[in-house]
Amino acid sequence: AQSVTQLGSHVSVSEGALVLLRCNYSSSVPPYLFWYVQYPNQGLQLLLKYTSAATLVKGINGFEAEFKKSETSFHLTKPSAHMSDAAEYFCAVSDGAGFQKLVFGTGTRLLVSP
Amino acid sequence: DTAVSQTPKYLVTQMGNDKSIKCEQNLGHDTMYWYKQDSKKFLKIMFSYNNKELIINETVPNRFSPKSPDKAHLNLHINSLELGDSAVYFCASSSPHSSTNEKLFFGSGTQLSVL
Repeated sequence: AQSVTQLGSHVSVSEGALVLLRCNYSSSVPPYLFWYVQYPNQGLQLLLKYTSAATLVKGINGFEAEFKKSETSFHLTKPSAHMSDAAEYFCAVSDGAGFQKLVFGTGTRLLVSP
Repeated sequence: DTAVSQTPKYLVTQMGNDKSIKCEQNLGHDTMYWYKQDSKKFLKIMFSYNNKELIINETVPNRFSPKSPDKAHLNLHINSLELGDSAVYFCASSSPHSSTNEKLFFGSGTQLSVL
């Protein structure tokens, strides 16, 4: 069975500071990994995904994530936080067999202060 | 134009009632889903339909019955609502399976409150 663990239910940063949201996964097969963002009262939107190509994946809004097999991690980063980045972020894993097997983490709320 | 739309956005009802949530996607996708997000933000798949056929039912109580009249619609009917059903329900659809451009598109959610 696959699973993801997101460390920290809340992360607080100042505007302009580095954003680091942690995700570790467990998978018995080569995983597909995703980061989704959820703004208040909205559905989830795909930020980026890893599908066994380049290990450093660039997404929308300046976010990127690096797949590290040795650490079973897929942490999300952004060099400089904006107020508009405040949202809930979800890491997810699948075995590649479509979204039917997508498993989400419990989410990390990013708080950005002026 | 909203890609995945679900109605209603908010649903407040009494225990024991029967209610439905509707979902429509205009993306031409073959696969649609229902997810449940609980009060702790944990998001879990409930059902998946592909071309109107049920392909995933993740141990959801029989009180929940999805219905797909066509591949653009996947409605969720819930009988005998219980307090524990209170959650946000998200509809989603996805582009062709096994495509490298495969994406999952979510609706904006239906917040169900059972009193």
